[in-house]
Amino acid sequence: EIVMTQSPATLSVSPGERATLSCRASQNIGSDLAWFQQKPGQAPRLLIYGASTRATGFPARFSGSGSGTDFTLSVSSLQSEDVAVYYCQQYSDWPYSFGQGTKLAIK
Amino acid sequence: QITLKESGPTLVRPTQTLTLTCTFSGFSLSTRGMGVGWIRQPPRKALESLAVIYWNGERHYNPALNNRLTLTKDASFNEVVLTLADVDLVDSATYYCAHVISTSTRGGWFASWGQGDLLTVSS
Repeated sequence: EIVMTQSPATLSVSPGERATLSCRASQNIGSDLAWFQQKPGQAPRLLIYGASTRATGFPARFSGSGSGTDFTLSVSSLQSEDVAVYYCQQYSDWPYSFGQGTKLAIK
Repeated sequence: QITLKESGPTLVRPTQTLTLTCTFSGFSLSTRGMGVGWIRQPPRKALESLAVIYWNGERHYNPALNNRLTLTKDASFNEVVLTLADVDLVDSATYYCAHVISTSTRGGWFASWGQGDLLTVSS
């Protein structure tokens, strides 16, 4: 199974500042990576697929990058509504595996 | 608009078989590239992929569940049923079904999710 490792576990950023979340795969997954946003009490919501394609409904301040084993999710100017847990997930090989999540908080 | 909804019991006894139904609309499981997947999340823990079924009948099950999973589909009623045999306390979780979109032979992403069904396993 491909192991996905996210860092940091918790990230506190001031409003308007940039947040950078990392995700690493235990083997090459090309661009078969998705990011999800999960707010308390809600189902996860697709944010990014194909490592860099933003899903419908998310503003341009969210961006994804990377390929192979190292990936990044960036939030260019953090807003209060961006507080959530963010998960990365690979779909290159079954079982599709998720990282442990990064909790993004407002400083 | 794509919607999915999970239905099933809220409480199951250990060793029983869990049956969950995903009822969906807005896409067809007969369309190339479409799939339905199941994911679970224990309280305050990370997500775990359980199983996925694709438009061509291809099925994948998470080997960590030791052959306890079965997926069936009823395309005419837009339903996918997941059964989990011999449940244990550690199977307590919120179970989600999701619309899967695949554009390659490798896999697909979970594009839309249901609201989730919270299951407790307890004697």
